[in-house]
Amino acid sequence: DVKVTQSSRYLVKRTGEKVFLECVQDMDHENMFWYRQDPGLGLRLIYFSYDVKMKEKGDIPEGYSVSREKKERFSLILESASTNQTSMYLCASSISGVGLYTDTQYFGPGTRLTVL
Amino acid sequence: GENVEQHPSTLSVQEGDSAVIKCTYSDSASNYFPWYKQELGKGPQLIIDIRSNVGEKKDQRIAVTLNKTAKHFSLHITETQPEDSAVYFCAASIGEGYQKVTFGTGTKLQVIP
Repeated sequence: DVKVTQSSRYLVKRTGEKVFLECVQDMDHENMFWYRQDPGLGLRLIYFSYDVKMKEKGDIPEGYSVSREKKERFSLILESASTNQTSMYLCASSISGVGLYTDTQYFGPGTRLTVL
Repeated sequence: GENVEQHPSTLSVQEGDSAVIKCTYSDSASNYFPWYKQELGKGPQLIIDIRSNVGEKKDQRIAVTLNKTAKHFSLHITETQPEDSAVYFCAASIGEGYQKVTFGTGTKLQVIP
C-alpha cells in the first residue's frame, strides 16, 4: 500500500513565523503535490514537483515556497505565516503516467494549520 | 486553465436510495476524470475514474458517466449505506506528463439510516 505521511496533524503558529510542512511518500513516486483545502473552495493546488529539485507553481503559489531535495520528501514553506494561511494542507504523490495518461494521486492525512 | 464546477455542495439521502453528484469542466482537452472520497479526518482517496475514450464505468454500487460533448460527468451511488457518508470531489486532468489535476469544490453526502 502507498503511504504518504505528513509531519504534523495539527500545527499552531504565530503571524510572521516561518513554517515548514513536511511530506514523505514511500512508493518511489516521481510526482508530489501540495494542496490547501478550504470549505466551499475544494482542493487548490499550491505547488507540485515532478522530479527532485524540480518545482512548478500551481494555482495559488503566493506566500508559499517548496523544496524537494530527495525523491521521497516534499516540503512546503510559509516564509512569513499570515492568518489567511490558516487552512488544511494536503500532500499527495503519484507515479508518472504513460504518455498523456494521468495516474492516481495518493493523499496524506493532512495538516491543519492555524495561524494566530 | 481548467475550471471544474461541482453540484450540489451538500446532499442528504435515506439509506438505500441513490445519490448523484454532477460536475462540469471547461477545457475540452481534459481526458481523465477521477472521483475522490474524503472521510472525516483522512485525506481524499480515489474511488473510481474514467478516461475520455469511455462513456460509462461501473464498480459495484458506484458508476461514473461522461458526456464529452456537453463536458459533463457524474457520479452515481446506488443502494447508499451510512459508510458512504463523506465528502466527494470530482476532478479533471489534461495529463501532459506531470499529472496536474483540477478539483471541484466538493459534495458533502450524508446518508441517513
